[in-house]
Amino acid sequence: AQSVTQPDIHITVSEGASLELRCNYSYGATPYLFWYVQSPGQGLQLLLKYFSGDTLVQGIKGFEAEFKRSQSSFNLRKPSVHWSDAAEYFCAVGARGGSYIPTFGRGTSLIVHP
Amino acid sequence: KAGVTQTPRYLIKTRGQQVTLSCSPISGHRSVSWYQQTPGQGLQFLFEYFSETQRNKGNFPGRFSGRQFSNSRSEMNVSTLELGDSALYLCASSLEQGRGEQYFGPGTRLTVT
Repeated sequence: AQSVTQPDIHITVSEGASLELRCNYSYGATPYLFWYVQSPGQGLQLLLKYFSGDTLVQGIKGFEAEFKRSQSSFNLRKPSVHWSDAAEYFCAVGARGGSYIPTFGRGTSLIVHP
Repeated sequence: KAGVTQTPRYLIKTRGQQVTLSCSPISGHRSVSWYQQTPGQGLQFLFEYFSETQRNKGNFPGRFSGRQFSNSRSEMNVSTLELGDSALYLCASSLEQGRGEQYFGPGTRLTVT
């Protein structure tokens, strides 16, 4: 079964600074990979996804993520953080083919200082 | 297109009661999944429905059940509510089963007293 680890429970950055949120997964092959964002009291919004092809994936709101097979990682990055980016971020892994039950990480809470 | 809608948004129930939550997926989406989100356990998969059939089920007791209608709308039911069932229940829809690109509703906040 697949698993996802987001090592950082909280991350604090200053507005305008760069951001990297870490995600490591465990799966026997290349999975589907996703990043979602959740604002307080809201559902999850899909930021970006990786299915195949180019390992650098562009998403919405200026986010990007890079799939590194050798490190089993799919880290999320943003060059310049805005105060509105403060939210909870979830990495998710899905198995290819057959029954699909996605696995979510525990989330990383992003705090943005002015 | 309208997004995923969930009703009601907030609910307060008493232990032992039952509750039904509703989810309307994005138009054209045939797969609906349900998740339970709590501070302690994070996001946990409940079940997935596709073409009115339950295709996948998470590790939850039989008190949790669901169904999907011919228009892809879905309901989940929790019987004999326990305090530990207090959570945000999220519904997500996707175009197909098994691709994983899901679109989430705002959730139903259930509080059991």
